[in-house]
Amino acid sequence: EDQVTQSPEALRLQEGESSSLNCSYTVSGLRGLFWYRQDPGKGPEFLFTLYSAGEEKEKERLKATLTKKESFLHITAPKPEDSATYLCAVQAGVIIQGAQKLVFGQGTRLTINP
Amino acid sequence: DTGVSQDPRHKITKRGQNVTFRCDPISEHNRLYWYRQTLGQGPEFLTYFQNEAQLEKSRLLSDRFSAERPKGSFSTLEIQRTEQGDSAMYLCASSFDSSSYEQYFGPGTRLTVT
Repeated sequence: EDQVTQSPEALRLQEGESSSLNCSYTVSGLRGLFWYRQDPGKGPEFLFTLYSAGEEKEKERLKATLTKKESFLHITAPKPEDSATYLCAVQAGVIIQGAQKLVFGQGTRLTINP
Repeated sequence: DTGVSQDPRHKITKRGQNVTFRCDPISEHNRLYWYRQTLGQGPEFLTYFQNEAQLEKSRLLSDRFSAERPKGSFSTLEIQRTEQGDSAMYLCASSFDSSSYEQYFGPGTRLTVT
């Protein structure tokens, strides 16, 4: 069964203090790894898709990387508005009519203090 | 606004009552997904439609749950004889028809069963 584990569960940083969030996965046949941001009481907001080991994507202060076993979301010089829960999800399996679901980790709750 | 919309945003019901939620996907997307999210956890897949065909269902989707997408546009999720354990955020997402494409989420419907 596909599994996604995120660490740490919660992270508090000072404004400007860079860090990384980890997403470890165990799947059969990864087709894509997705990062989402979720604010309290709202739906997840799409950030990145990574398809193969070695791939990197950047958006403002965020950079996502992918290896064969894990993905990292690096946040550089974060601001208070970056505070949110960051979710990692995988899509895996044979391309058939099924196997379209995303399997999510439990998320990392990030707080940036001013 | 051309994002995914859900209605209602909040629903409070008494145990044993039936509830129905609606999701309107992004107009160009022919895939539609339902997920459930409880506090502190990532979303869990419930079911998925390609056009009007329901192609995958999770074992989480008990016989009290039914989903429809009658004309391949909007979708409804009905829960019969609600239980306190059904209290959660119900999320709808949509995507293009491709082997691996990001899913865009709506704001969710928060269900509280008293």
